[in-house]
Amino acid sequence: EAQVTQNPRYLITVTGKKLTVTCSQNMNHEYMSWYRQDPGLGLRQIYYSMNVEVTDKGDVPEGYKVSRKEKRNFPLILESPSPNQTSLYFCASSPSGTPGTGELFFGEGSRLTVL
Amino acid sequence: GNSVTQMEGPVTLSEEAFLTINCTYTATGYPSLFWYVQYPGEGLQLLLKATKADDKGSNKGFEATYRKETTSFHLEKGSVQVSDSAVYFCALGRNAGNNRKLIWGLGTSLAVNP
Repeated sequence: EAQVTQNPRYLITVTGKKLTVTCSQNMNHEYMSWYRQDPGLGLRQIYYSMNVEVTDKGDVPEGYKVSRKEKRNFPLILESPSPNQTSLYFCASSPSGTPGTGELFFGEGSRLTVL
Repeated sequence: GNSVTQMEGPVTLSEEAFLTINCTYTATGYPSLFWYVQYPGEGLQLLLKATKADDKGSNKGFEATYRKETTSFHLEKGSVQVSDSAVYFCALGRNAGNNRKLIWGLGTSLAVNP
């Protein structure tokens, strides 16, 4: 089944404890992206990747890191999480090199709480 | 710059009512337009899209027409069901230059009561 898989789905952690949210897609998509969703703010892009070893900042990259060593994986790293990073996170991928005309496929989301 | 404005929610309707969710955009050139839907506890999924002016996207009884003269892409459904309860996002897509992403509206929550 074609899908984007995120882990963990739910996580409660404490300030400063490094964590990684994994994202994997099995559709051979070139484009991958991370979003956070917050009430009243909609979806905001954190980072995106056009292809392996190519990543770029989105609208809210502060406090996050990403890597794209393989086409299928795009982990989101929070080196030192803070309470303002409490949010619902989505990974997405697209079959086209640029998502402007293509369909985005989303994971089910990872709800992160930082105490 | 590019932007998308959606009507604020929440929208509450009774089953079989007519639905309109307004979406207007600001963009130069000829963007593609999308509606995505997020059902409770799930990720977003594409509902419909239109890539040029006067195109009509349709899916699952929902329709939206790309109207360049009014810069709008309103979502409509003639008879909503309880299962349509979700958050709906309008989005604009550009591939020109460095603008390689979707521009999102804030989302409109829809609740359909039996």
